[in-house]
Amino acid sequence: GENVEQHPSTLSVQEGDSAVIKCTYSDSASNYFPWYKQELGKGPQLIIDIRSNVGEKKDQRIAVTLNKTAKHFSLHITETQPEDSAVYFCAASRRSNTDKLIFGTGTRLQVFP
Amino acid sequence: NAGVTQTPKFQVLKTGQSMTLQCAQDMNHNSMYWYRQDPGMGLRLIYYSASEGTTDKGEVPNGYNVSRLNKREFSLRLESAAPSQTSVYFCASSRATDEQYFGPGTRLTVT
Repeated sequence: GENVEQHPSTLSVQEGDSAVIKCTYSDSASNYFPWYKQELGKGPQLIIDIRSNVGEKKDQRIAVTLNKTAKHFSLHITETQPEDSAVYFCAASRRSNTDKLIFGTGTRLQVFP
Repeated sequence: NAGVTQTPKFQVLKTGQSMTLQCAQDMNHNSMYWYRQDPGMGLRLIYYSASEGTTDKGEVPNGYNVSRLNKREFSLRLESAAPSQTSVYFCASSRATDEQYFGPGTRLTVT
């Protein structure tokens, strides 16, 4: 089955700097890669996703890149702000009726003012 | 729309007690999921339901049962709670196998 590894487990940056979180996956048939943000005391919320037919996707200050050959994908946050502080999870799936999202172990991002 | 709601928010059980965690969604989603979240282990799927009337095991189903009562509701039951089931439980729903919407979670402690 699919296995997703996520690094780093914690990341501290100064406000305004960039943050990068990386994930690798094992199943070459996976074709859907979402990123979730979890704020303290809340459930995870989707912030961006990418499908295997594209290599990069941007949404304002966040972007995700995908390298299918190397089986890794990354989340990039530019111009970080204190409200970006949260736990971020990557996930992967085949997007079929029988395959579910497999999540990474999470990255705790702290943005210091 | 309330989205995904879960009850209770907090629960303390003694070893061997039973309880049911309730989940409901008002987005007319077909698929519903139960996850547990433990420090350093991310989100692990316990059970899921691809449609009303069907349920399937996820990664960590032992010690749990589920019921898809109707399209809106998906409950998780612990028949005989154990300390290893201390965790935060999240319910989620999705239209298909794409974006999942999560509830606020239930923090369960088993002593």
